[in-house]
Amino acid sequence: DVKVTQSSRYLVKRTGEKVFLECVQDMDHENMFWYRQDPGLGLRLIYFSYDVKMKEKGDIPEGYSVSREKKERFSLILESASTNQTSMYLCASRVAGASTNEQFFGPGTRLTVL
Amino acid sequence: AQSVTQLGSHVSVSEGALVLLRCNYSSSVPPYLFWYVQYPNQGLQLLLKYTTGATLVKGINGFEAEFKKSETSFHLTKPSAHMSDAAEYFCAVIPSGGNKLVFGAGTILRVKS
Repeated sequence: DVKVTQSSRYLVKRTGEKVFLECVQDMDHENMFWYRQDPGLGLRLIYFSYDVKMKEKGDIPEGYSVSREKKERFSLILESASTNQTSMYLCASRVAGASTNEQFFGPGTRLTVL
Repeated sequence: AQSVTQLGSHVSVSEGALVLLRCNYSSSVPPYLFWYVQYPNQGLQLLLKYTTGATLVKGINGFEAEFKKSETSFHLTKPSAHMSDAAEYFCAVIPSGGNKLVFGAGTILRVKS
């Protein structure tokens, strides 16, 4: 059974804190993605990684960075959390090759920044 | 830039009734098309996708969607709604020449008993 796990389901942080969101997949997928989900806006791509140590900006990278040191783990970092980063964050992974390969999603982390 | 429009942020149907969730895309060159479903407190799950070939695509849980190039649409249907279909549904595309999903805003489906 394929699995994408995220370190926390719910997280509450204060403005200015450094925040780490962790994602782990057990499918040996090369591609990994971070999205944020907001009501009325759907999912928007923050960053993605084609493979270990490779990363590329998505549509809304401002205020975020990522790290991919191991194939199975993709971390999203909020260097200095702000209230407008309160959102649901979803991680996904996909086997390399065709862009139409299915993305598998984790359950999400609901982050609240106070 | 490619955009995806889902008509209706909320749709309510009675159990046993037809489900119709609408999706239109903006590109003149047909993209790859997807429907994902998100059940409460879960991540997204792929329902079905259209890449090439037959324009009527069957997915999981009795859902299907038809690609209509002339209407730039990819509407999702199910003949008879079940209570378990209550969820949020997302239409998504990969633009021609692209490699990343672009999502619509989502439609929350409510099923009444």
